[in-house]
Amino acid sequence: DAGVIQSPRHEVTEMGQEVTLRCKPISGHDYLFWYRQTMMRGLELLIYFNNNVPIDDSGMPEDRFSAKMPNASFSTLKIQPSEPRDSAVYFCASRVGQGPEAFFGQGTRLTVV
Amino acid sequence: GQNIDQPTEMTATEGAIVQINCTYQTSGFNGLFWYQQHAGEAPTFLSYNVLDGLEEKGRFSSFLSRSKGYSYLLLKELQMKDSASYLCAVRDRGNQAGTALIFGKGTTLSVSS
Repeated sequence: DAGVIQSPRHEVTEMGQEVTLRCKPISGHDYLFWYRQTMMRGLELLIYFNNNVPIDDSGMPEDRFSAKMPNASFSTLKIQPSEPRDSAVYFCASRVGQGPEAFFGQGTRLTVV
Repeated sequence: GQNIDQPTEMTATEGAIVQINCTYQTSGFNGLFWYQQHAGEAPTFLSYNVLDGLEEKGRFSSFLSRSKGYSYLLLKELQMKDSASYLCAVRDRGNQAGTALIFGKGTTLSVSS
């Protein structure tokens, strides 16, 4: 398996624009997690899904953020409109059941100018 | 909620032993995890403790005391490639069948020759 795949790897956008980040989890993994990492706040959980159903979105910063998982092999995180404070590395991770190991994608580095 | 504390930075020399401490508070403990993250890369799983005691895996060991809300990661025979950020994370019993990892801000370890 190629692991968790995220796209794009880098995104530079202007304030106010819509940004869509994409994630393909490892096949067979039933949990998918979206995290955001900054120097100040570390790695923060935004939202996670189990069998394509959102379980906990309490970490989503505000209504500008939304996430979907239309099927077991694809998820998106959308920011509309984007703001400079959204600049961060966004990681997607997947896991099998209650297994101990979550596998992270390589992340998307988002810069909002 | 959860609260996780670990030192921001540590330094050590090649061949030495270093211990990275982590204290946590959580409403319903269900596992303590350590991840390694090299600069610019994704976090990768190192170890997992759910019961008290020491788990050893090669040069790395992780210890857990649930009563004290305390864990440490022990790295022996340090190598330059061990320079990275080490993230402590907890999983707690949510109201669903599965829960996500909540991460501390990480400890940046610098190994010098």
